[in-house]
Amino acid sequence: DTAVSQTPKYLVTQMGNDKSIKCEQNLGHDTMYWYKQDSKKFLKIMFSYNNKELIINETVPNRFSPKSPDKAHLNLHINSLELGDSAVYFCASSQGRTGLSYEQYFGPGTRLTVT
Amino acid sequence: GQNIDQPTEMTATEGAIVQINCTYQTSGFNGLFWYQQHAGEAPTFLSYNVLDGLEEKGRFSSFLSRSKGYSYLLLKELQMKDSASYLCAPGNQGGKLIFGQGTELSVKP
Repeated sequence: DTAVSQTPKYLVTQMGNDKSIKCEQNLGHDTMYWYKQDSKKFLKIMFSYNNKELIINETVPNRFSPKSPDKAHLNLHINSLELGDSAVYFCASSQGRTGLSYEQYFGPGTRLTVT
Repeated sequence: GQNIDQPTEMTATEGAIVQINCTYQTSGFNGLFWYQQHAGEAPTFLSYNVLDGLEEKGRFSSFLSRSKGYSYLLLKELQMKDSASYLCAPGNQGGKLIFGQGTELSVKP
């Protein structure tokens, strides 16, 4: 009965590889997010989708591409991984539409290590 | 621009009260969230203030002054399990949360 789930939990890969992280929420929420938390613990928004539509797209390298097949899923694909991509990636979801602030529920995180 | 300032670290004693302050500057302000994050875990929601004043929820209370761009989180009857990072996050009309670096709270016996 996990609310927001992510796979994998840990991901170790080499520079130059392409990898994906999957996220699913069973809360019936309309909006989903990807965040990156670096070693200094800053939690930064990367993308947000509302009902499969991209609504927030921060200044993120275009090697990162989100995909939302339906409103319960938001995946993150990363091409040509770099050392600086090493971080914890959190998926989150919230109810409501753009312009309204609702609490966000976070997944357990995916710790990505690029060697 | 958007800027959030909160202390990096705080230490308090079990059973005591601690106040974590946050000042912020953000465009299109639409409420302020506080989240708790234990080491190695996901952030979890604590409180949300959209109007000025104090919101109380059990041992935790949160205060907001929109005119001053100021909020605080008050934790009472501290327990060891309250040792965590506390993240201040103002929201904007676009539904975006801007998280501060967080305040690392250590509760000592």
